[in-house]
Amino acid sequence: QLQLQESGPGLVKPSETLSLTCTVSGGSISSSSYYWGWIRQPPGKGLEWIGSIYYSGSTYYNPSLKSRVTISVDTSKNQFSLKLSSVTAADTAVYYCARHFWNFISYWGQGTLVTVSS
Amino acid sequence: EIVMTQSPATLSVSPGERATLSCRASQSVSSNLAWYQQKPGQAPRLLIYGASTRATGIPARFSGSGSGTEFTLTISSLQSEDFAVYYCQQYNNWPLWTFGQGTKVEIK
Repeated sequence: QLQLQESGPGLVKPSETLSLTCTVSGGSISSSSYYWGWIRQPPGKGLEWIGSIYYSGSTYYNPSLKSRVTISVDTSKNQFSLKLSSVTAADTAVYYCARHFWNFISYWGQGTLVTVSS
Repeated sequence: EIVMTQSPATLSVSPGERATLSCRASQSVSSNLAWYQQKPGQAPRLLIYGASTRATGIPARFSGSGSGTEFTLTISSLQSEDFAVYYCQQYNNWPLWTFGQGTKVEIK
């Protein structure tokens, strides 16, 4: 059974870079046809797609965040990562990693809360 | 960007009753729409894709309908475990997915 687990600091200072890693188990991150993505949810609010990386390495980002986001893959560790630079309090959210095709999300991580505060 | 608008924001329903949730797209998304259920402290769970196809393991009391800009999720007879927040998501405009703001289904 595929499992995804987010990890990273739960507290980030304003203007710094948020860095999260998603570890994939029960399947290979190099499997063809899959995308590996990040979605976030501010406390008490809805879902926002951040971006995704295809198994081939192509990346796709939400235009509203594109200037600050980098998603990368480490196939040797079966992990993919998110970096979001110049964070503000508005970036406080639960961050989910996920596996998907181009359409809907069938596998989600449990999510990790990241708070931006000094 | 395609804006997804869900209504109502909160729906109060008694167990055993039918719940009808709406999702409207700002432009046509064909049938490229999914519904998710989210319970407190949990990740969303896929219920419906292609506007009307139930995901694996989803009970038959969940049904989806619609195409273009108007979509509906119906829960035919609410069970206690169905009280949650429901989100619609369009994927017609990949790679720019957008989600609705959610409908909370609460116990009346």
